[in-house]
Amino acid sequence: QQQVKQSPQSLIVQKGGISIINCAYENTAFDYFPWYQQFPGKGPALLIAIRPDVSEKKEGRFTISFNKSAKQFSLHIMDSQPGDSATYFCAATDSGGGADGLTFGKGTHLIIQP
Amino acid sequence: NAGVTQTPKFQVLKTGQSMTLQCAQDMNHNSMYWYRQDPGMGLRLIYYSASEGTTDKGEVPNGYNVSRLNKREFSLRLESAAPSQTSVYFCASMLEGKRTEAFFGQGTRLTVV
Repeated sequence: QQQVKQSPQSLIVQKGGISIINCAYENTAFDYFPWYQQFPGKGPALLIAIRPDVSEKKEGRFTISFNKSAKQFSLHIMDSQPGDSATYFCAATDSGGGADGLTFGKGTHLIIQP
Repeated sequence: NAGVTQTPKFQVLKTGQSMTLQCAQDMNHNSMYWYRQDPGMGLRLIYYSASEGTTDKGEVPNGYNVSRLNKREFSLRLESAAPSQTSVYFCASMLEGKRTEAFFGQGTRLTVV
């Protein structure tokens, strides 16, 4: 059972446009939602994260929107640049016991065309 | 700071051979993880270790074993490699296992022929 569903699998956006990646989750215990960015040949790295007590978090050109009732969250990249071309993973975790870490979506391969 | 260091970066194995992937972190993190990344499948958890001396199975543990040698090091062993284990393997560490940033190594690209 896939607990975090991510779409689209791939996305092509023109330079200067808005890139939007969506994720939906099933486990209502999830309470921390990070996004990771991965460049070719590198490991993923934390981009931005949100907790469900806010509906939006913005860091520079990157914004997470969160809809708790719909169990959905999304990443918006404003003024997309060729350097943003990467694979993006949404993830989720809860604050319960244990250390099983993050549940990841399957990733979105984003290409920003010049 | 080196962060999370994985060795080797590339490896080709023949079916049935064994090997150990090494991982070390210098951030004094408690939790460490091994993931595999396959096209269209995202990052799938193989094993994790909440602290030194403990290990637990993740989503896809079959065919793998792990050892948490000390707080810094967490190794992944393939006893008898199979072509289905061709993948990119990532080690990660987190200060704690929940709601903290995961730091990843640069990955090991493994091909089993």
